[in-house]
Amino acid sequence: EPEVTQTPSHQVTQMGQEVILRCVPISNHLYFYWYRQILGQKVEFLVSFYNNEISEKSEIFDDQFSVERPDGSNFTLKIRSTKLEDSAMYFCASRGETNQPQHFGDGTRLSIL
Amino acid sequence: QKEVEQNSGPLSVPEGAIASLNCTYSDRVSQSFFWYRQYSGKSPELIMSIYSNGDKEDGRFTAQLNKASQYVSLLIRDSQPSDSATYLCAAPRGGNAGKSTFGDGTTLTVKP
Repeated sequence: EPEVTQTPSHQVTQMGQEVILRCVPISNHLYFYWYRQILGQKVEFLVSFYNNEISEKSEIFDDQFSVERPDGSNFTLKIRSTKLEDSAMYFCASRGETNQPQHFGDGTRLSIL
Repeated sequence: QKEVEQNSGPLSVPEGAIASLNCTYSDRVSQSFFWYRQYSGKSPELIMSIYSNGDKEDGRFTAQLNKASQYVSLLIRDSQPSDSATYLCAAPRGGNAGKSTFGDGTTLTVKP
């Protein structure tokens, strides 16, 4: 069964550095999402992406964050000038047509030191 | 008002009991509804989809939808300790490509 894949599974980065989290959505999906989950807390929406542009973003998704679909398969989340509070699990999700469910990747655990 | 609200929990039931998880949504044009299960340290996993009013059964799981009341529920029969997880309700906005709205989740513990 097709699945969303995320790399790396764990990323350790020094505070202030830039980090890029990578996702390969399911191949025929059209909508892409990033979520964040701080340890012990709820899943929080960051951004959705459709037709090569951001369709919606949360208040968390400020200028520190950006997303890109550099080619036909990858979907990336870039976090600039990382802070300690960026430490979290980051999930990528994708879905097909409207009314279809999102499918999540296994996540990238980001640790900022 | 949140777009999707779930009973706050945590919910604890004994093994073998029925666990009932509830969700209400605010967007009347939502057409599809999903339940996800998230084990600690793992990603959300889709367990049920429901699109029409009424009940949908899949093994020990039954999803119930009432569009007039804007209410979705998930019943887990014969609860097992392995059902212990956080359950997320999702109700995407009708026809919108943007934020797929999730509830905050209800944490279920099934005690042996």
